[in-house]
Amino acid sequence: DTAVSQTPKYLVTQMGNDKSIKCEQNLGHDTMYWYKQDSKKFLKIMFSYNNKELIINETVPNRFSPKSPDKAHLNLHINSLELGDSAVYFCASSQAGTGGHEQYFGPGTRLTVT
Amino acid sequence: DAKTTQPPSMDCAEGRAANLPCNHSTISGNEYVYWYRQIHSQGPQYIIHGLKNNETNEMASLIITEDRKSSTLILPHATLRDTAVYYCIVRVVVTLGKSTFGDGTTLTVKP
Repeated sequence: DTAVSQTPKYLVTQMGNDKSIKCEQNLGHDTMYWYKQDSKKFLKIMFSYNNKELIINETVPNRFSPKSPDKAHLNLHINSLELGDSAVYFCASSQAGTGGHEQYFGPGTRLTVT
Repeated sequence: DAKTTQPPSMDCAEGRAANLPCNHSTISGNEYVYWYRQIHSQGPQYIIHGLKNNETNEMASLIITEDRKSSTLILPHATLRDTAVYYCIVRVVVTLGKSTFGDGTTLTVKP
């Protein structure tokens, strides 16, 4: 079974559209993250949720809104998509109770905005 | 979080040990050293972490200098599947801290 899964794997859409990316982890972890990796392969955190509560919110446009319906899911909704949003988005999870040292990453969602 | 410096690329012969260096001269006493890798088009994969002592697991060994200003990740017997970008990250608390990866080292294992 996949530990951290994301859907869709590829997403091609036009500017101005609204889209969502879903993430699910079956590891029983209490913390989940969203990262963005741009064309230069630089990986940067966007959000982090612990027990469904937002604990990290980096300087991300408010067009990006994460939602965590439960500890196993962290979805990312993006409004009014722009060309600069094109990137690979990774979801990850970890367990704070054991130190949270090891983060498990999903396979990524490649978003292309045209 | 402390800044890290890694060489942009390294080569290693298959079957030989790969030694990947990382400088983190501004590391604080409560900051851990983490290593992750990213194989092409896949999500990053955790390798190992340490605070002061050297660490070893089934994937690799982590050697941290006594002053903690640098570290070396050792893959004892590199295989072609170890070809990836390796990231050295230094931060206080993984879960609740900011987690931004640097440029990393592209390791190419050659037959």
